[in-house]
Amino acid sequence: AQSVTQPDIHITVSEGASLELRCNYSYGATPYLFWYVQSPGQGLQLLLKYFSGDTLVQGIKGFEAEFKRSQSSFNLRKPSVHWSDAAEYFCAVGFPSGGSYIPTFGRGTSLIVHP
Amino acid sequence: NAGVTQTPKFRVLKTGQSMTLLCAQDMNHEYMYWYRQDPGMGLRLIHYSVGEGTTAKGEVPDGYNVSRLKKQNFLLGLESAAPSQTSVYFCASSPPTGTFQETQYFGPGTRLLVL
Repeated sequence: AQSVTQPDIHITVSEGASLELRCNYSYGATPYLFWYVQSPGQGLQLLLKYFSGDTLVQGIKGFEAEFKRSQSSFNLRKPSVHWSDAAEYFCAVGFPSGGSYIPTFGRGTSLIVHP
Repeated sequence: NAGVTQTPKFRVLKTGQSMTLLCAQDMNHEYMYWYRQDPGMGLRLIHYSVGEGTTAKGEVPDGYNVSRLKKQNFLLGLESAAPSQTSVYFCASSPPTGTFQETQYFGPGTRLLVL
């Protein structure tokens, strides 16, 4: 069955430290891959996406993600975290469904940033 | 552009009452979605629509109905609300598959409390 896994429910980092949020999926081919961020009380905002081509993608707010086909992963990274990055992060994967690619979301990773 | 808007922002219902949540988008998007977000569960797809007059079930459709009579609007109905439907509901829209623009644009959410 197709699935998306975000193994870390919470991640705590110090401001200025590097960050990596993990996302794994289960699917036989390359799906569409997305990372979204949700600030408290807000809707979701797209950080970056991957459909094909260069496996290292750059997004907004200094985030990047790398698609690794061999590991079925699409991990999100940031070299230096700012306090304003504290939020909920969702990985989403678009699996084909009747000609469409309807996204499935992971359960999210809550990022806590210590000063 | 207002993007994706949702009405109402917050609502309290008693068990057995009915209500309709309205989602509107002004981006001429073909696809629209309704999700519910519960703590630790991420976003789960309730129903979606790939065009005016068409709807399809998502992961958790029971207890909900939808209609897409106009391209810009996607209505989510609860015929007989239950406490298990207490949640935050998000609407999203996106261009069609194959345009490589499959980013979803989210509304701000509707908080529903069923007593």
